[in-house]
Amino acid sequence: AQSVTQPDIHITVSEGASLELRCNYSYGATPYLFWYVQSPGQGLQLLLKYFSGDTLVQGIKGFEAEFKRSQSSFNLRKPSVHWSDAAEYFCAVGARGTGANNLFFGTGTRLTVIP
Amino acid sequence: EPEVTQTPSHQVTQMGQEVILRCVPISNHLYFYWYRQILGQKVEFLVSFYNNEISEKSEIFDDQFSVERPDGSNFTLKIRSTKLEDSAMYFCASRDIIRSTEAFFGQGTRLTVV
Repeated sequence: AQSVTQPDIHITVSEGASLELRCNYSYGATPYLFWYVQSPGQGLQLLLKYFSGDTLVQGIKGFEAEFKRSQSSFNLRKPSVHWSDAAEYFCAVGARGTGANNLFFGTGTRLTVIP
Repeated sequence: EPEVTQTPSHQVTQMGQEVILRCVPISNHLYFYWYRQILGQKVEFLVSFYNNEISEKSEIFDDQFSVERPDGSNFTLKIRSTKLEDSAMYFCASRDIIRSTEAFFGQGTRLTVV
């Protein structure tokens, strides 16, 4: 069965500092991988996704993520955090080969940005 | 830019009442989903819908839940007899079956059962 682990419930970083949010997944094959962001009171916005090919993927808002098959990880990074990045971040796995491609989400990491 | 829209944004209902949450998916999308997020917890898959029938459903999606696409544009989630534990944010999503596996999410409906 698919599962996603985000080991960090809450991370606080200073504005301008670098950021890495961890995500580990469990899946029988290479899944589709996603990072979504949820600002307070808002819906889920896709930051980036990995389907195949280059294991370093670029997303919106200056985010990137690297798929590491050997570690079953898909960590999200940003070199310099902005105050507007404060939000909840969700890693998700989508099952390949199933028509519906339902998503399985991690528990999320709340990012606080301090001046 | 096309988006998934959900109404209402917030619904309060009494325990035992029926509630219908509405969604208008992106017009050329063919896969539709409902997810829910209980406060402070992760987003959980409820059901997927394709070709006018349920494609997959989770164990959460029991007989109290049903989905419908009544008129070719709306996609609804009905909870027959709400329980306190149904209080959550409910997200609708849709996907373009041809272009990608990316699902687009609506802003959510916050359901409060009192």
